[in-house]
Amino acid sequence: AQSVTQLDSQVPVFEEAPVELRCNYSSSVSVYLFWYVQYPNQGLQLLLKYLSGSTLVKGINGFEAEFNKSQTSFHLRKPSVHISDTAEYFCAVTDGGGAQKLVFGQGTRLTINP
Amino acid sequence: DTAVSQTPKYLVTQMGNDKSIKCEQNLGHDTMYWYKQDSKKFLKIMFSYNNKELIINETVPNRFSPKSPDKAHLNLHINSLELGDSAVYFCASSQNTVGGSPLHFGNGTRLTVT
Repeated sequence: AQSVTQLDSQVPVFEEAPVELRCNYSSSVSVYLFWYVQYPNQGLQLLLKYLSGSTLVKGINGFEAEFNKSQTSFHLRKPSVHISDTAEYFCAVTDGGGAQKLVFGQGTRLTINP
Repeated sequence: DTAVSQTPKYLVTQMGNDKSIKCEQNLGHDTMYWYKQDSKKFLKIMFSYNNKELIINETVPNRFSPKSPDKAHLNLHINSLELGDSAVYFCASSQNTVGGSPLHFGNGTRLTVT
């Protein structure tokens, strides 16, 4: 069975600084990987996904992630963050077993300080 | 137009009561889900329906009973509420059960049991 570990529970950064949120997964088969964002008092929104092809995936709001099969990682990056990026970020993985087998990481709280 | 809408947004009730949460999606998706998010933000799937048929039923107490009258609706009924049921419950949908199908989430129902 697959699992996801988000290595940082909280990441504080200053506005306009770069940020990287780390995600490692374990699975014995090929995987589909996702990053979701949850703003306060809202549901989760899809930021980006990796299904196949290019290992660098671009998403909404200037975020991107790189799939690294040898390191079993899918880290999320943004070169310059804004106050509005303050939110909880979730990495998620599923194998070919289907969307209903999506497993979420524990979440990383990104706090942007002015 | 809200893609996945759930009601109510807040639900405060006493132990032992029975309550329902409703969910509707207007995306034309085949698959719907209920997730529970605990106080530590951990997300765990409870149920999944595909074309009105139950396909995932995780280790959830029998007090929780989902019902899908049609593929656009998935309701959750909870009997004999307990303190430990306090959480945020999210409804979600996906186009189908293919692993790459991203989930679309509602804004959540915050259930508080006193």
